[in-house]
Amino acid sequence: AQSVAQPEDQVNVAEGNPLTVKCTYSVSGNPYLFWYVQYPNRGLQFLLKYITGDNLVKGSYGFEAEFNKSQTSFHLKKPSALVSDSALYFCAVRATYGQNFVFGPGTRLSVLP
Amino acid sequence: GAGVSQSPSNKVTEKGKDVELRCDPISGHTALYWYRQSLGQGLEFLIYFQGNSAPDKSGLPSDRFSAERTGGSVSTLTIQRTQQEDSAVYLCASSNTGSHSLSLSGNTIYFGEGSWLTVV
Repeated sequence: AQSVAQPEDQVNVAEGNPLTVKCTYSVSGNPYLFWYVQYPNRGLQFLLKYITGDNLVKGSYGFEAEFNKSQTSFHLKKPSALVSDSALYFCAVRATYGQNFVFGPGTRLSVLP
Repeated sequence: GAGVSQSPSNKVTEKGKDVELRCDPISGHTALYWYRQSLGQGLEFLIYFQGNSAPDKSGLPSDRFSAERTGGSVSTLTIQRTQQEDSAVYLCASSNTGSHSLSLSGNTIYFGEGSWLTVV
C-alpha cells in the first residue's frame, strides 16, 4: 500500500533563511511524487512534481524538491523563505499510472519576519 | 473549463437535511476525486472515479455519503441526513490520467476551491 509521511507538523523559519519541508514515502514500484500548497481558505495549488529524470525538480515560487530513491524521500526546499510562503504544504505520491493519489498529513510552514 | 469548478462555495444547512455538492472537472480529465478537510487539517480521501471503471468508494465514511459522476464529467457528492461532524471543506480534484506526458499537465491532480459545509 502507498503511504506518505510528513514528520513535522510545523516548521518555523526566519524570512531570508533557507527552508526545508520533509516528506518520505512508501510505495511499490516507481513513484510519482508531488508537492501542493494551501493558503488559508483556498484549495490546494500544485507546486511541483517528480515523474522521472533529474532528481532535482524545480517548481513554482522558487521552490524545488529532491527525489532520493535510497532514502525514499522528496523534501521540499527553498533557498530564501518569504513571509508569503507561510501556508500548509502537502506531499503526495502515486504508485503507478491510473492509481489513486495518497496525500501526507500536511506541514504548516510559518515564515517569521 | 479552465479549472476545477465547485458549487456551492459555501453551504449552511440544518442538521438532518440532505445536501448536494457539485464538481465540474477540467475538460478532458478522466479522473475525479473527492476529499474532505476539517479546518486546517489534512485531506481525507472520500471517493475516486477513473473513466468508466467502477469508482473507488473506500473512503466514504458512512452510507449517508454517496457520489455519482454523470457522463464522465460532472460529479455530485450527496450527504443525507447531515450531522454536525459533517461540517468541513469538501474538495474536488481532477487529473488527466490518460496521458503519459511528462509535461506540467500530465499526471497532475488539480483542485477546486472547495465547498465549505456548515451543519448547524
